[in-house]
Amino acid sequence: GAVVSQHPSWVICKSGTSVKIECRSLDFQATTMFWYRQFPKQSLMLMATSNEGSKATYEQGVEKDKFLINHASLTLSTLTVTSAHPEDSSFYICSASPPGPYNEQFFGPGTRLTVL
Amino acid sequence: AQSVTQLDSQVPVFEEAPVELRCNYSSSVSVYLFWYVQYPNQGLQLLLKYLSGSTLVKGINGFEAEFNKSQTSFHLRKPSVHISDTAEYFCAVSKVQGGSEKLVFGKGTKLTVNP
Repeated sequence: GAVVSQHPSWVICKSGTSVKIECRSLDFQATTMFWYRQFPKQSLMLMATSNEGSKATYEQGVEKDKFLINHASLTLSTLTVTSAHPEDSSFYICSASPPGPYNEQFFGPGTRLTVL
Repeated sequence: AQSVTQLDSQVPVFEEAPVELRCNYSSSVSVYLFWYVQYPNQGLQLLLKYLSGSTLVKGINGFEAEFNKSQTSFHLRKPSVHISDTAEYFCAVSKVQGGSEKLVFGKGTKLTVNP
């Protein structure tokens, strides 16, 4: 149980285009989903927290207009990188947290974004 | 604010040797503690977690960790490692709080198991 999927697993796009990444909880309802960014050989940096049906909460320094997050259902959250540039190339990982007291997060396999 | 320190960025060991990956945290409130493993180009997999109760926590793949409140540590151990344990290991902490609380990660420790 507690499986989280991401799609696509990798994507290459041209500078200036927008890219959408999907995060799905396959066997549980996720009231909260998190989006992380990981640069090579570094730790995960939390970008934003999204709760179903409400606006995402962005971490300091993360541009909300550039990284659009939608959490329209209890099993799906999307991250759209708008007008992508080479510096947006990174590994994006989502996690999902079911209702409950333990704050456990289940992580997706990640999406490798390369902007040319 | 919470923070997590993983003292070793890289730990090389030989196969079948024991290993300890160190993690210290700072927090003024009660916390939950986690260890995750990340294989290349993959997401994170939970190894084990401390929520409450026994301070010795056993996880998957033969790993265990001990919560030491007085030393604010949560070191990860395995008595005999395999080549397949080569990966990046992350320690994380979250506050004890109802609902979902964000995780704060350490910078990671790269474990390399050599034959």
